[in-house]
This record gives sequence, C-alpha cells and structure tokens, in this order.
Amino acid sequence: GAVVSQHPSWVICKSGTSVKIECRSLDFQATTMFWYRQFPKQSLMLMATSNEGSKATYEQGVEKDKFLINHASLTLSTLTVTSAHPEDSSFYICSARLDRGFYGYTFGSGTRLTVV
Amino acid sequence: GENVEQHPSTLSVQEGDSAVIKCTYSDSASNYFPWYKQELGKRPQLIIDIRSNVGEKKDQRIAVTLNKTAKHFSLHITETQPEDSAVYFCAPSLKGGTGKLIFGQGTTLQVKP
Repeated sequence: GAVVSQHPSWVICKSGTSVKIECRSLDFQATTMFWYRQFPKQSLMLMATSNEGSKATYEQGVEKDKFLINHASLTLSTLTVTSAHPEDSSFYICSARLDRGFYGYTFGSGTRLTVV
Repeated sequence: GENVEQHPSTLSVQEGDSAVIKCTYSDSASNYFPWYKQELGKRPQLIIDIRSNVGEKKDQRIAVTLNKTAKHFSLHITETQPEDSAVYFCAPSLKGGTGKLIFGQGTTLQVKP
C-alpha cells in the first residue's frame, strides 16, 4: 500500500516549452506532497511543499512562477516546469507524507527531464 | 531551518566488513530520523528509521543509533554485501508541522567483492 505513481518517468523537451509532471496517490489521500529536484551525483533538494486546496510553499531560491505546483485534489499533485531551459534538466521526484497510524513518507518513481 | 551534514561522502569497504555513516543535524526539535538508500536513477528507499524516544533500532544487518543530546544519528551496516553498494541519505524531520524531509549530502558506499 501507500503507492505514489509519478508520470512521465522521462521526458525530453525543447527549450522554452513547458512540461507537466504528475504524482498520483493510488490507495491513500495525500494531504501533503513534497517536490524535490536532484542533479547528478547530488542530494535531493526540496523545492516546495504542497497542501491540498492551498498554495504551495516554496523553498528559498525556488522560482514559484517557473515551477508551478497544483494540488487540487487529495490524490493528485502536479509540477509544471514553465519555459524550460537546459539548466532545468534534472531528476524530479515527489513524496507524500503518510500519517495513518504510522509515520513515514512514500516517493514517486521520479521523472528524468532533459531540456534540449 | 534544519542544517544537515553527513559523513563521510564516500566509503569503500571490503565485502563482509562493517560500514558506519554519521548524520549531524541542527534542529533540536527534530524527532524522526530515517535513512534512505538510493540506487542510480531510482527513488529513495527507506531502510530504517528511528523516533526520538528510542536510542537504537536494529533490523537484521542494519542498525541506527541516535544521540539527541549531541544531535546526531548513525547508520550501521554489518556484514556488507556488494548489493549494499548505493548512495545513502539521512533526512531528519519534525513529525507534525510541515514534516518536510531535509536530506543530507549523501554517502556513496562501495562494497568490494
């Protein structure tokens, strides 16, 4: 149980276009979703925290107008990279917090974004 | 905010030896201390976690020890195997509030056969 499905697993897009990444909780309601970015050989860097029905909270240095996060339902959170540039190429991964009698987190499988 | 430091950044051991990775954090309010294993291109996998009311937890070859006074916790892997080779991350957090995980820099463990 507690599976987060993330799509697409990889995407190549042209510079200047937008890309949407979806994370869907399959068997639970994800009230809180976290979005991370991971560059090669680096750690996971938290980009933002999204709560269902409210605006996302962005970490310092993350452009909220470039990385649009929508968490309109308890089972779906999306990250849209707008006007993508080659430096946005990275591994993006979502994570939902679990609070169902035990505490922990479940991660999506990640999206490899390449901007050409 | 939480400042997390992880050491060492790389660790190479012979198969069968033990490996220890240490994580130091700054927020004394942190009360949840997980360790994740990440293989190349894949999602992090929880391998063990500990809560603040416990000093040590063991699961077969893996153990975690916590020193809340000194604000550090460590991952111990005994009888290492080649399949333990991966990047390991600590991510202390506060249950309640935002609950966000702030990851350490990671430790690349290489187990030589």
